[in-house]
Amino acid sequence: AQSVTQLGSHVSVSEGALVLLRCNYSSSVPPYLFWYVQYPNQGLQLLLKYTSAATLVKGINGFEAEFKKSETSFHLTKPSAHMSDAAEYFCAVSDPGGGTASKLTFGTGTRLQVTL
Amino acid sequence: SQTIHQWPATLVQPVGSPLSLECTVEGTSNPNLYWYRQAAGRGLQLLFYSVGIGQISSEVPQNLSASRPQDRQFILSSKKLLLSDSGFYLCAWSADSYSGPQHFGDGTRLSIL
Repeated sequence: AQSVTQLGSHVSVSEGALVLLRCNYSSSVPPYLFWYVQYPNQGLQLLLKYTSAATLVKGINGFEAEFKKSETSFHLTKPSAHMSDAAEYFCAVSDPGGGTASKLTFGTGTRLQVTL
Repeated sequence: SQTIHQWPATLVQPVGSPLSLECTVEGTSNPNLYWYRQAAGRGLQLLFYSVGIGQISSEVPQNLSASRPQDRQFILSSKKLLLSDSGFYLCAWSADSYSGPQHFGDGTRLSIL
């Protein structure tokens, strides 16, 4: 069974500071990993995904994440936070086995607050 | 370009009443379709997914059902709502079976009274 742990339900950073949102996964097979962002009262938007190619994945809005197999981690980072980054972020893992629709297991989310 | 429509945006229903939430996708063919529920302070829970017309897989035994009468239409239903059915319901689609749901609708906030 797969699982995802997002450390820190709330993270607060100053505008211009580094953003680091942590995600650790558990999977019996090499996983696919995803980060999504959700703005209030909206659906989720895919930020980036890792599907066994390059371990450093660049996404939209200046975010990137690095897959570290030895640490079973897929932390999300952004060098300089912007006020518009304030949202909830979800990490997710899927079993890349084919034949059925890809089913993701989501973490419980991290709410990012950006202060002036 | 592909778009996903989900309605209604908000819904208040009494306990025991029926439910029908609709989701449609435009600009793609034979998408994989998903229904998720997001409870307050929790992550997303996959409820149903579908790889084709009439093909529905249920992930969690519950008071809800899903149907896919057309290629790009996915409906979430209930005959009798429970208080525990309250939550934020999200429809999503993906182009293949490997990449996960990549496009989400804006969700329906369902409140049961």
